[in-house]
Amino acid sequence: AQSVTQLGSHVSVSEGALVLLRCNYSSSVPPYLFWYVQYPNQGLQLLLKYTSAATLVKGINGFEAEFKKSETSFHLTKPSAHMSDAAEYFCAVSVAARGSQGNLIFGKGTKLSVKP
Amino acid sequence: DTAVSQTPKYLVTQMGNDKSIKCEQNLGHDTMYWYKQDSKKFLKIMFSYNNKELIINETVPNRFSPKSPDKAHLNLHINSLELGDSAVYFCASTTGAYGYTFGSGTRLTVV
Repeated sequence: AQSVTQLGSHVSVSEGALVLLRCNYSSSVPPYLFWYVQYPNQGLQLLLKYTSAATLVKGINGFEAEFKKSETSFHLTKPSAHMSDAAEYFCAVSVAARGSQGNLIFGKGTKLSVKP
Repeated sequence: DTAVSQTPKYLVTQMGNDKSIKCEQNLGHDTMYWYKQDSKKFLKIMFSYNNKELIINETVPNRFSPKSPDKAHLNLHINSLELGDSAVYFCASTTGAYGYTFGSGTRLTVV
């Protein structure tokens, strides 16, 4: 069964430092992968998605992620953290489901803190 | 225009009550979902509907009953509310792997 594992429930970086949030997936078929961000008391916003096109995916707010099939990974990076990046980040995989467009299965989330 | 809208945004109610959460999407998507986010932020799928037909019911207590009057609406009715039902409930819709759009959530507090 498809699943995602996010390594590290909490990541803390200094403002201006590299952000690296780790996500590994398990899938028996080529996966569709997503990163979502959730700011405090808000809904889920799509950062970027991998749908079997380019392996390096660029998203909003300067984030990008690289799909590595050999490592079954889809890590999220940003070269320079900003205070406004502090939020909860979720990696997700789309699972095919009969009769529907597929279900989104989420990792447990990583809380990113940014220190001044 | 809000793509996926949920009402109400906040809901505080007593144990044993019955309540409903409404969801509407104006994206023309065929598939809609309900997700539950618990106090540890874990997001778990509850139901999936495709064009008004129930596809997935992920071992949710039968006190939870989704209803889809048309493919643009997916409501969630909860009977006999319990303390453990307190969570944030998200509605979502999709055309497929190219995009899942979420509503802003309904924070349910059972006291």
